[in-house]
Amino acid sequence: SAVISQKPSRDICQRGTSLTIQCQVDSQVTMMFWYRQQPGQSLTLIATANQGSEATYESGFVIDKFPISRPNLTFSTLTVSNMSPEDSSIYLCSVSGTGLLNTEAFFGQGTRLTVV
Amino acid sequence: QKEVEQDPGPLSVPEGAIVSLNCTYSNSAFQYFMWYRQYSRKGPELLMYTYSSGNKEDGRFTAQVDKSSKYISLFIRDSQPSDSATYLCAMSFGAQKLVFGQGTRLTINP
Repeated sequence: SAVISQKPSRDICQRGTSLTIQCQVDSQVTMMFWYRQQPGQSLTLIATANQGSEATYESGFVIDKFPISRPNLTFSTLTVSNMSPEDSSIYLCSVSGTGLLNTEAFFGQGTRLTVV
Repeated sequence: QKEVEQDPGPLSVPEGAIVSLNCTYSNSAFQYFMWYRQYSRKGPELLMYTYSSGNKEDGRFTAQVDKSSKYISLFIRDSQPSDSATYLCAMSFGAQKLVFGQGTRLTINP
């Protein structure tokens, strides 16, 4: 399995500001994913981050609001822009491509974001 | 209708009981089925992973997939207080993008 480090682990931010979340993996991985987990809810995929190309966003998520970088095979960032209280959530980085069948997914500890 | 349905619970059982957690899904194209365990304030941890139909056992945990019924289960035998967590089912088409159930919050009472 991969070891995934996410920073920051938590933050409290003012509305209208932006926060960049970092995800570092201890091995090279093909695909990295960003999920959102709202209070009491399951995980919703925001986007897939591929190295060397633009991220692919899921329905309901746009690049202007959640810009993503993937500069190499071990690192990615997600920015939550122009935040509002509705963005309060846990944001999780996930990687796959490390398992035997190349489909297992592993998660970081998450970033708990509160927007006030 | 959600692609993956999971009873959110909460579910509370005494220590030593057998726990059964279930998910149903609507898309017959799903091929990979997973169960994740998530402790409070932690990221999800992969618990079981199954490809297509059948059973898989790992210690006290057994995962079952019935593709004909679009139904998957996770059984926990001899449940322990340390098993108290939220259990999430997840599935994919093989493109590595996961679709999650809502998660079932489980408490094992000593």
